[in-house]
Amino acid sequence: GAVVSQHPSRVICKSGTSVKIECRSLDFQATTMFWYRQFPKQSLMLMATSNEGSKATYEQGVEKDKFLINHASLTLSTLTVTSAHPEDSSFYICSARDGGGMETQYFGPGTRLLVL
Amino acid sequence: AQSVTQLDSQVPVFEEAPVELRCNYSSSVSVYLFWYVQYPNQGLQLLLKYLSGSTLVESINGFEAEFNKSQTSFHLRKPSVHISDTAEYFCAVSPKGDSSYKLIFGSGTRLLVRP
Repeated sequence: GAVVSQHPSRVICKSGTSVKIECRSLDFQATTMFWYRQFPKQSLMLMATSNEGSKATYEQGVEKDKFLINHASLTLSTLTVTSAHPEDSSFYICSARDGGGMETQYFGPGTRLLVL
Repeated sequence: AQSVTQLDSQVPVFEEAPVELRCNYSSSVSVYLFWYVQYPNQGLQLLLKYLSGSTLVESINGFEAEFNKSQTSFHLRKPSVHISDTAEYFCAVSPKGDSSYKLIFGSGTRLLVRP
């Protein structure tokens, strides 16, 4: 089946630093990738939709200058949390859409970010 | 706009008992429907999906869900649960014909299987 990886799985950083999270589709080409944020015991909130070769589309209320998304290839999207603060601590999950099976998103294992 | 309602935040059940996790949705257009499962500190795994055709869909591990258009529901059922089924279950919809292919998630239901 379709596999999506994320790296790192867990990161701890100091307030004010930037953190990059990678999302890769391992066995398929992902024309679209999605970035979600999940707070403890809550559902997933879509942050942005990332299309290969074009600018990401951000959901209302998500700061595009704080959460930089780059989708440079059909198998890689990155999310950079710039100048991270403790309130950015969360579980970040990416998903990828297989252009062939377009109705289905495959999710990565998530990245736990802790900002001290 | 679409919305998904999972009324039960937690469902405790004994091992080998049947379970139903409820999901209702609201949408002005036709939708695809999904159930995802999330184990602790992990991402989501696709459990099953309804795209078209038979309204009853099954997963490989014994779960099934039935799309009921008139009731706008997509309840998840399993006739006999195992301890290993303990997880968070999310119902989601995606509007047909929406080029963004967004998923709209419900708030999730925690299934807690007790011995």
